Amino acid sequence: DQQVKQNSPSLSVQEGRISILNCDYTNSMFDYFLWYKKYPAEGPTFLISISSIKDKNEDGRFTVFLNKSAKHLSLHIVPSQPGDSAVYFCAASEFTGGGNKLTFGTGTQLKVEL
Amino acid sequence: AAGVIQSPRHLIKEKRETATLKCYPIPRHDTVYWYQQGPGQDPQFLISFYEKMQSDKGSIPDRFSAQQFSDYHSELNMSSLELGDSALYFCASSSTSGLPEQFFGPGTRLTVL
Repeated sequence: DQQVKQNSPSLSVQEGRISILNCDYTNSMFDYFLWYKKYPAEGPTFLISISSIKDKNEDGRFTVFLNKSAKHLSLHIVPSQPGDSAVYFCAASEFTGGGNKLTFGTGTQLKVEL
Repeated sequence: AAGVIQSPRHLIKEKRETATLKCYPIPRHDTVYWYQQGPGQDPQFLISFYEKMQSDKGSIPDRFSAQQFSDYHSELNMSSLELGDSALYFCASSSTSGLPEQFFGPGTRLTVL
């Protein structure tokens, strides 16, 4: 039962254009959402997050949008740069009393082409 | 800034052997999480510790155990290793006094032959 889904396994974008990565979730108990970037053989790197009480959070070139009624969030990267090429994981957090375990999506491989 | 440290980075074991993975969280982080990422899969939550007590448990096999020590470092002990245990094992840490962001270490790649 995949509670967090990223339906696009890959995305190719030209340098300078906008990259939009999508994520859907099913569990209404998730209260915080995060995006991580991952290179091969490295740990996930935290990018940006959003609380379930907000609908937008912006940090430099990265903006995350949350549509709680649709249980959908998206990550916008603009302008896209070749160094952004990596796998992007959406993750959802649920407070469980002693911490906030993360449930990850399956990832989207972003390739930014020159 | 100090990051999460994991050791070893690579580990090769035979079937039925044991393995111990270590994690040193970011200073002043009180919660440690362990995740397993199989080939082509997303990271799966295994177990977490808050202030040296187990706080949550995910899809961790009974052959695995973990603990968090007084200096907040954590160890994941894996016994009777199986071929299917070959994966990347990530440790992450966070602070309950801050936002729920978890910061990940570089991972330990375990290969079971």
